[in-house]
Parts: sequence; structure tokens; C-alpha cells
Amino acid sequence: SQQGEEDPQALSIQEGENATMNCSYKTSINNLQWYRQNSGRGLVHLILIRSNEREKHSGRLRVTLDTSKKSSSLLITASRAADTASYFCATIQGNNRLAFGKGNQVVVIP
Amino acid sequence: GAGVSQTPSNKVTEKGKYVELRCDPISGHTALYWYRQSLGQGPEFLIYFQGTGAADDSGLPNDRFFAVRPEGSVSTLKIQRTERGDSAVYLCASSSTSREDTQYFGPGTRLTVL
Repeated sequence: SQQGEEDPQALSIQEGENATMNCSYKTSINNLQWYRQNSGRGLVHLILIRSNEREKHSGRLRVTLDTSKKSSSLLITASRAADTASYFCATIQGNNRLAFGKGNQVVVIP
Repeated sequence: GAGVSQTPSNKVTEKGKYVELRCDPISGHTALYWYRQSLGQGPEFLIYFQGTGAADDSGLPNDRFFAVRPEGSVSTLKIQRTERGDSAVYLCASSSTSREDTQYFGPGTRLTVL
């Protein structure tokens, strides 16, 4: 069953604006990961945040994790047209398999 | 080094046919995963290999689906008697160990069953 569940959003923003998307999950986790997918093909790992971390940065990405609410957010600052993609959160289940949410589609308009 | 590769990139077949999808993981990665992604959905787990053995095949939808990894490197996902509902993008990923390491995904194979 899917554990990560993003708010089903399709964001359309102007280049330079920030994009925020959320994810909730149901079970206890050791970490939560965010992936990007372009054109419905291969996923690219963006960032991993561990359960004992509350916030993590990587370049223009900022991820937060609230284990009490079982939720995470991904913020992309100063968006670029190349950020146009679908973004998925994923949690690790037994045997290291990833459970993905449905994803958020982000369109950055130049 | 090279990433995960998958062949073919696209496969169109007729209902009832047999198909094989191939995955070449990153060299040295012992863990290999197959996922399936339907349109508008997130990827769903199919099967996980640690070395040559299938450590977890609980995600395979039925006995028409089978996967092998005979030498602990390349893996083949095999689908018998394909159905239209099998149409999806099949994604392969590998990681260096099974202990919560980052999984690196291939570009996927888009399977269309007519």
C-alpha cells in the first residue's frame, strides 16, 4: 500500500517564485525521501531526511519533517523552468522497498 | 560511472503475448528493485533482489509476472499472457546495499498492450 501521500496538487508558478508541496504518511519511518520525475520516466533522488531531523537543505531545496504529524514538505526556492516535473515523496517499507505517493505536478512558467 | 539502464525504452505488444524487460543496474550494486507506474500514479513496488535471489516478490500482481537475476547483476522482468491492464512504465532501481541506501532509477520501459 502507498504510504507517502502528497496533497494532490498541480502547481503552476512563475519562474523565480517558490514552490511548496506536502506529503503525509501513515506508519513510523526511519527516513523520508523526495524524488523528481521528468516526462513520466526515470526518477531522480533529490533529498533524504531522517526521522531525527526536522529540516534539511540541499541547494535550492528545503525539506521539513514533522514526525508527530507524519508529514513532510518540500520547498523549491527561486524556481526555474527546468524545475518543471512531478515530485514524489517516498517512505521505506520492509525490505527497503519504497512506497510512493501520487506526486505533485509542478509547472514553472518562464 | 554509468547509471541504471533499461531496455527497451518502449515496447508495444498485443494482448496475450509474452514480453521481457531488461534492467542493467549500476555496477557493484547488490540490491535491485522493480516498480510499476501507471499513468498519474506513483511507482508501486513489484519485486526486490538481493544478489541473485528474490528477497521480496510480494508486489508481483499475479503469477503472470516473474523476474530473474541469475548472476546477481542484470535482471529480466517477464510478463506472460499480457493484458491491457499491464500497460504502464516499468522502472528498475538499484542500490549498493539493502539498508536504506539511495535507490538509483533507470529511465523505465513504457509497455503498451494493445
